[in-house]
Amino acid sequence: SQTIHQWPATLVQPVGSPLSLECTVEGTSNPNLYWYRQAAGRGLQLLFYSVGIGQISSEVPQNLSASRPQDRQFILSSKKLLLSDSGFYLCAWTPGQGNSPLHFGNGTRLTVT
Amino acid sequence: AQKVTQAQTEISVVEKEDVTLDCVYETRDTTYYLFWYKQPPSGELVFLIRRNSFDEQNEISGRYSWNFQKSTSSFNFTITASQVVDSAVYFCALSEGKTSYDKVIFGPGTSLSVIP
Repeated sequence: SQTIHQWPATLVQPVGSPLSLECTVEGTSNPNLYWYRQAAGRGLQLLFYSVGIGQISSEVPQNLSASRPQDRQFILSSKKLLLSDSGFYLCAWTPGQGNSPLHFGNGTRLTVT
Repeated sequence: AQKVTQAQTEISVVEKEDVTLDCVYETRDTTYYLFWYKQPPSGELVFLIRRNSFDEQNEISGRYSWNFQKSTSSFNFTITASQVVDSAVYFCALSEGKTSYDKVIFGPGTSLSVIP
């Protein structure tokens, strides 16, 4: 069966520090991968998606970037965090067949101080 | 443009009451998919159901039921005999049928509290 791992679970970082959140999927090949952010107020915002290795699309211009160095690995990064980057970050995957349900990781709660 | 509206921000019910969560969507596509997700206090989003635009049959799964009506662009979710474990934020979501990836638009969510 497929599983998705996301870490760390919580993170407290000072403003201006770098960020690296990692997500890996097991039990499937060539998944579509996604990074979502959930700020206070519960809304889910799609940040990045990837349909293959090295293929990254950004939905919202921002201070963050994403990379996909391997088929089942998706990384969210920042060179310098802003206070506004605080939030709950969720990684998700789909089989890539279109209109499949998103399968989410447990999320990372990031607090920028 | 796609849009999902969940007008109920917060709902509180007493255990064993029935509760309906409303979802209204907007899309210009004739082929689309609707979803419901549950986010318990632990934070992980859990997929509950998917419905495509050509299937208007209502669905029942245990205490959960879904009412899809294209005429009113609604996809409402009812929990029968609610339990404390149903306390969570529930999201309705919409995706188009044309993209190579799953571009999902989420509603703002409805926070359900079931009081014992």
